[in-house]
Amino acid sequence: EVQLVESGGGLVQPGRSLRLSCAASGFTFDDYAMHWVRQAPGKGLEWVSGISWNSGSIGYADSVKGRFTISRDNAKNSLYLQMNSLRAEDTALYYCAKDFRELPHDAFDIWGQGTMVTVSS
Amino acid sequence: QPVLTQPPSSSASPGESARLTCTLPSDINVGSYNIYWYQQKPGSPPRYLLYYYSDSDKGQGSGVPSRFSGSKDASANTGILLISGLQSEDEADYYCMIWPSNASGVFGGGTKLTVL
Repeated sequence: EVQLVESGGGLVQPGRSLRLSCAASGFTFDDYAMHWVRQAPGKGLEWVSGISWNSGSIGYADSVKGRFTISRDNAKNSLYLQMNSLRAEDTALYYCAKDFRELPHDAFDIWGQGTMVTVSS
Repeated sequence: QPVLTQPPSSSASPGESARLTCTLPSDINVGSYNIYWYQQKPGSPPRYLLYYYSDSDKGQGSGVPSRFSGSKDASANTGILLISGLQSEDEADYYCMIWPSNASGVFGGGTKLTVL
């Protein structure tokens, strides 16, 4: 079964850091680009970051550029998002999503259930 | 990053068609981009529906019924998701997305579709 399972969310104070993980199974992880997409409570979807199959191509939304870092470990079938200098507006459900292709600019055909990040003092 | 404009809400009756729009800013030509569409029901992650570039370059997500289709209105610089033969299960939020540059994506604000 193709599956993405996010973890690492929680309650964190403004200015602190958090690292999200996404464990992939059921497909050849290193054949595909991967992404993080978030959704604030009651709001729409926001693409956060994407990474190519070999980490050679990486992109970030302007809202997180310079604060968040995406990475992957193909040997562990895992995707990560290091989030630093967190702000209240980063509060959201963070989804891990698989790209249809090896480069990060196509459809997201598989999604995880998400992990919630709450930034509050 | 550009803003994709979607009407906040739309409604139609069962059996009718729903036409959901996604308008690109004037400095981005809809004809140059794949338009991706996603469906999200409450409490669930989004589901990929389809992409549309042209009639000869389009794709349907796995298991997505053919009554979901895409198109473009170049005169309005708009991508369109057409849902024919509406069913109650189609009630959901719908999001469009484009890749205005490599490795940089943007979603529209979403449209809540109500099946009356």
